[in-house]
Amino acid sequence: QVQLQQWGAGLLKPSETLSLTCNVFRGSFSGYYWSWVRQPPGKGLEWIGEIHYSGGTKYSPSLESRVTISGDTSKNQFSLKLSSVTAADTAVYYCARHLGRTFDIWGLGTMVTVSS
Amino acid sequence: DIVMTQTPLSSPVTLGQPASISCRSSQSLVHSNGNTYLNWLQQRPGQPPRLLIYEISQRFSGVPDRFSGSGAGTNFTLKISRVEAEDVGVYYCMQGTHFPLYTFGQGTKLEIK
Repeated sequence: QVQLQQWGAGLLKPSETLSLTCNVFRGSFSGYYWSWVRQPPGKGLEWIGEIHYSGGTKYSPSLESRVTISGDTSKNQFSLKLSSVTAADTAVYYCARHLGRTFDIWGLGTMVTVSS
Repeated sequence: DIVMTQTPLSSPVTLGQPASISCRSSQSLVHSNGNTYLNWLQQRPGQPPRLLIYEISQRFSGVPDRFSGSGAGTNFTLKISRVEAEDVGVYYCMQGTHFPLYTFGQGTKLEIK
């Protein structure tokens, strides 16, 4: 059964760059779209962006200027970078696999806190 | 942006009784290809979201048949025929029609009376 294992720094200072990686375990990165979604504490879900295994990306317009999603087929991984973070970026960040226009497999989430 | 509005925001339900959650979109979710990309996800406490229903009414693999989805255009409903204890959590509707921005409802908290 496919699992998404994610990791990255959990505590950042304002203006730093958030960096997270998602590993596709017992499955293949190829052939799918993959997304990042975040959830501020006690709040709802926000889509950040997606990557196709071939490298094509699309981002949420509200975050586009600060987001980069990249993939590595050889490592079966994809990554998220979010620059110039502020307290408003504090959230649980999830990686997820696409099933058409939704997400069928999710990582367990990584809590990222931005604090000086 | 497409705004997804769920009602109610909180739903206390007795075990074994039905529950219903509504979701309304600010624009029609019918895609130019004829499909309607309205999905429902469940998030149990402390867990990541889990896909329940996609494209209005398609139950995802492993989802109990007490969960069903219906609707069209801008109005959609998730129904649980008989609520069980494991159904406690927050339910989100989500649209995938108006890309490139997937948007979610604000969530409905299902709790047991």
